[in-house]
Amino acid sequence: QQQVKQSPQSLIVQKGGISIINCAYENTAFDYFPWYQQFPGKGPALLIAIRPDVSEKKEGRFTISFNKSAKQFSLHIMDSQPGDSATYFCAASIITSGTYKYIFGTGTRLKVLA
Amino acid sequence: EPEVTQTPSHQVTQMGQEVILRCVPISNHLYFYWYRQILGQKVEFLVSFYNNEISEKSEIFDDQFSVERPDGSNFTLKIRSTKLEDSAMYFCASSEAGRGSYEQYFGPGTRLTVT
Repeated sequence: QQQVKQSPQSLIVQKGGISIINCAYENTAFDYFPWYQQFPGKGPALLIAIRPDVSEKKEGRFTISFNKSAKQFSLHIMDSQPGDSATYFCAASIITSGTYKYIFGTGTRLKVLA
Repeated sequence: EPEVTQTPSHQVTQMGQEVILRCVPISNHLYFYWYRQILGQKVEFLVSFYNNEISEKSEIFDDQFSVERPDGSNFTLKIRSTKLEDSAMYFCASSEAGRGSYEQYFGPGTRLTVT
């Protein structure tokens, strides 16, 4: 099963709060899990990524938590800012025919209130 | 910082017409991809390309679609006879060669509108 399920569909957070977006997958062949940030009219921009041999990765205000046994991973945005308002996509990478294909989640539209 | 570029930013075409979407991947990257995003929906994989041939294609990538690397810098997606349902944002992405180079970098996209 090559789906990645993402929730919630939309999220409203107060400035300074924590934004949490969750993703789940079924296929244990996935071996890389990036998060992308997309502003309206722009392409997805790589935000942070994790490999399944690591349980947590932090870069600035962004943290990925990874639970291999539960096949779930989440993005935490600490001290959320209005500039973080965007759509966030989780993805999972799988190697097929020698190249890595990304399977994207359905996206979470985040709005951070000033 | 190197980036993936795409032209045009917006293409309007009539149903049945051919369109070519162009991409210039990051210069030292050897793996290239096209993805599609219908308005308000998730990004979907179309095709991957390496060493001048298609590595994998999705069910969406039917006989109406083709890709080409006509020279050392450009990577194109051609839709031979566009349909209304081809209206979407098309993103090109590229990644470095070699195992472990998982990161794919996306271009800003081409908005294709089929009327």
